[in-house]
Amino acid sequence: QSVLTQPPSASGTPGQRVTISCSGSSSNIGNNYVYWYQQLPGTAPKLLIYKNNQRPSGVPDRFSGSKSGTSASLAISGLRSEDEADYYCSAWDDSLIAWVFGGGTELTVL
Amino acid sequence: QVQLQQSGPGLVKPSQTLSLTCAISGDSVSSKSAAWNWIRQSPSRGLEWLGRTYYRSKWSNDYAVSVKSRITINPDTSKNQFSLQLKSVIPEDTAVYYCVRQDGGFLDLWGRGTLVTVSS
Repeated sequence: QSVLTQPPSASGTPGQRVTISCSGSSSNIGNNYVYWYQQLPGTAPKLLIYKNNQRPSGVPDRFSGSKSGTSASLAISGLRSEDEADYYCSAWDDSLIAWVFGGGTELTVL
Repeated sequence: QVQLQQSGPGLVKPSQTLSLTCAISGDSVSSKSAAWNWIRQSPSRGLEWLGRTYYRSKWSNDYAVSVKSRITINPDTSKNQFSLQLKSVIPEDTAVYYCVRQDGGFLDLWGRGTLVTVSS
């Protein structure tokens, strides 16, 4: 049981916009930044969004993040086949004194 | 370009100690802005943060409650690396283990991962 809650799956067709939600609590998302990671099959997670809505260099602007209260979301616009991956949200938890993660969302491009 | 190179056995017997090392290139384990983490991933537990070591004016560690009694993370400044030891392993400790740099306050760089299987 992951501390942060994500839907297990999401899907869309090429060109569509997809959003993935992440729900937490006041001790994690409510009081700290949210981070998003993309994990392609057989590889390590890769930082996709940091500090709620910032993109590392090299990440396309099709990816965007937002946060409101104890929830966050990742949006992917102009969906492409190479976006098929697992996506994880993460935040620091002040009560657990630990990094916590969502259970991951498997994105399928139909 | 910062790189993390993991090493260690892929098979550990139950009740024994899991030991992994993460060699750092392009950064320093003694960096006062970084922290060096271990995270594991398994189908049953998902991504699970295990702990970290970091240097400010002295060395410090934080460990996850779930493994606190069994885990040790140590820096090795002479080799610019850090290690993970997890004692008394059980089959449920089977996972892909990642070493991960935390810099700027977030987990920004992951090693390639090591699959560790706990089995006799």
